[in-house]
Amino acid sequence: GAVVSQHPSRVICKSGTSVKIECRSLDFQATTMFWYRQFPKKSLMLMATSNEGSKATYEQGVEKDKFLINHASLTLSTLTVTSAHPEDSSFYICSARGNRGRNIQYFGAGTRLSVL
Amino acid sequence: DQQVKQNSPSLSVQEGRISILNCDYTNSMFDYFLWYKKYPAEGPTFLISISSIKDKNEDGRFTVFLNKSAKHLSLHIVPSQPGDSAVYFCAASSNTDKLIFGTGTRLQVFP
Repeated sequence: GAVVSQHPSRVICKSGTSVKIECRSLDFQATTMFWYRQFPKKSLMLMATSNEGSKATYEQGVEKDKFLINHASLTLSTLTVTSAHPEDSSFYICSARGNRGRNIQYFGAGTRLSVL
Repeated sequence: DQQVKQNSPSLSVQEGRISILNCDYTNSMFDYFLWYKKYPAEGPTFLISISSIKDKNEDGRFTVFLNKSAKHLSLHIVPSQPGDSAVYFCAASSNTDKLIFGTGTRLQVFP
């Protein structure tokens, strides 16, 4: 149980294009999902908290117009990196809060974004 | 301000021996702590957690110890196996959904 699927696993795009990343909870409903970004050899940095049916809550310093989050259903959240630039290249990981235990988050496999 | 710190970036342990990974935190409001394991280019996998009302939680080869007065927790893996080689993150939360992660410790278990 508590499987989170993230797609795509890797994407390479040209500067200026937009990229959409999907995060699905496969065997449980997730009212809350999270989007993280990880720089090389660094910790996971929370970008935003995605709540089903409402606007996402962004962390300080994260541009909400740059990183669009949609959580239209209890099993799907999407992150769209708009007008991507090379500095947006990173490893993006989503997670969903499960029903087992307090605050346990289950993570997707991550998406490696490379902007040329 | 790094609220959760893992001061050892790496640890090397012989197979069969105990691995001890340490984590310190500064925020006294944290009351729930978790350990995750992460392989390269994959998402973290939940290992074990502990509430602040406890000082120990055990699950198979993994045991987490919490010392609230010292604001310190540790993960013990015994016996260590080569498949345990990964990066281990500790995380903490208060009464919100957010998890604050440490910087990770790379564990290498050699034969």
